[in-house]
Amino acid sequence: GAGVSQSPSNKVTEKGKDVELRCDPISGHTALYWYRQSLGQGLEFLIYFQGNSAPDKSGLPSDRFSAERTGGSVSTLTIQRTQQEDSAVYLCASSPSGMDNEQFFGPGTRLTVL
Amino acid sequence: QKEVEQDPGPLSVPEGAIVSLNCTYSNSAFQYFMWYRQYSRKGPELLMYTYSSGNKEDGRFTAQVDKSSKYISLFIRDSQPSDSATYLCARVKAAGNKLTFGGGTRVLVKP
Repeated sequence: GAGVSQSPSNKVTEKGKDVELRCDPISGHTALYWYRQSLGQGLEFLIYFQGNSAPDKSGLPSDRFSAERTGGSVSTLTIQRTQQEDSAVYLCASSPSGMDNEQFFGPGTRLTVL
Repeated sequence: QKEVEQDPGPLSVPEGAIVSLNCTYSNSAFQYFMWYRQYSRKGPELLMYTYSSGNKEDGRFTAQVDKSSKYISLFIRDSQPSDSATYLCARVKAAGNKLTFGGGTRVLVKP
């Protein structure tokens, strides 16, 4: 079956612009995670959605970052007023129930802020 | 100090050799330990996970956890060029929670 998909695969933007990154989880998976991978910081947790529960936003680095998940499926990560330090690969993962150990990752969106 | 530490490598080995990868961690609250493999320009994929101390085998891969030393290892036997990738160790406090990753070790298996 289809895995986690993310779009766009690459995004180049200018400093100060807003960007939206999209994640389509595996159908039926109730848990969805966003991570960021950069050279200096490795792979870091950003935010976690589980069903209808309030999301765990503890990893968001600033209030410029926000995410939503509509209808328990597709998620959008929004970065406002992008900065050069936001340049990274943004990875989305999903798991069947949120009580599983395996998270299935998408290919990521490579964001470059000029 | 980062919660999970990994040597970034690169670790270069000849085909057929045993690859030995290690991670150390600082927070005893972590309960589950995982190894992910990541090829260039791809998302990580789960190789193995374990909960308890001791060894767990899956084909050519063996994961080892020593909770008393806060040390986790991954061994790859009979390494192949297709094993060339970045290997990430990760821990989670409870099932379903966010993963805390090490920085990853890049492995190169030369034919």
